[in-house]
Amino acid sequence: KQEVTQIPAALSVPEGENLVLNCSFTDSAIYNLQWFRQDPGKGLTSLLLIQSSQREQTSGRLNASLDKSSGRSTLYIAASQPGDSATYLCAVRLGQAGTALIFGKGTTLSVSS
Amino acid sequence: GAVVSQHPSWVICKSGTSVKIECRSLDFQATTMFWYRQFPKQSLMLMATSNEGSKATYEQGVEKDKFLINHASLTLSTLTVTSAHPEDSSFYICSAIPRTGAGNTIYFGEGSWLTVV
Repeated sequence: KQEVTQIPAALSVPEGENLVLNCSFTDSAIYNLQWFRQDPGKGLTSLLLIQSSQREQTSGRLNASLDKSSGRSTLYIAASQPGDSATYLCAVRLGQAGTALIFGKGTTLSVSS
Repeated sequence: GAVVSQHPSWVICKSGTSVKIECRSLDFQATTMFWYRQFPKQSLMLMATSNEGSKATYEQGVEKDKFLINHASLTLSTLTVTSAHPEDSSFYICSAIPRTGAGNTIYFGEGSWLTVV
């Protein structure tokens, strides 16, 4: 059974720091991997989607990498801002399109000004 | 972009009653929708996969007689929590995959907060 683990569970940094969030998954036969942001009490905002054949995706200050063979992904946030404070969720789609996402427990990020 | 709407956004019900949550794809048809549950400070746990016109597939440990899922059309799936109890209080969120396309993209609703008192 696919399990997704995110480390650390929580992270506090001062504004301006670059930071890395980690995600690992047990079964490398994934279709794709996606990073989401969730604000307290809210739904999900998709940040980056990496197909299994890709190594990384970038959007603004965010960069996500994928090492499928080792079962790892990282989300790099450059020059963090207080508005980045949220919970970041990593999710993998199993072996084919049309299947559900399996989520990690998330990393709760707090960026202080 | 594609929109998935959930209704209600929040609901309070009495213990023992049933409550229905709707998930609609507003601008696309979805043959497959998924229902997740999220307890406070926990991750999203997949409850069931809902396919239009057929019975839902439930994850292990999810009671199908308690969480009734109906996917009667290509734009609507409903989750009914029957005989709700306080431990069913949670954040329920649905997602949908468009019928057309490669199946890469999955869209999430805004979620529904259920409080059972």
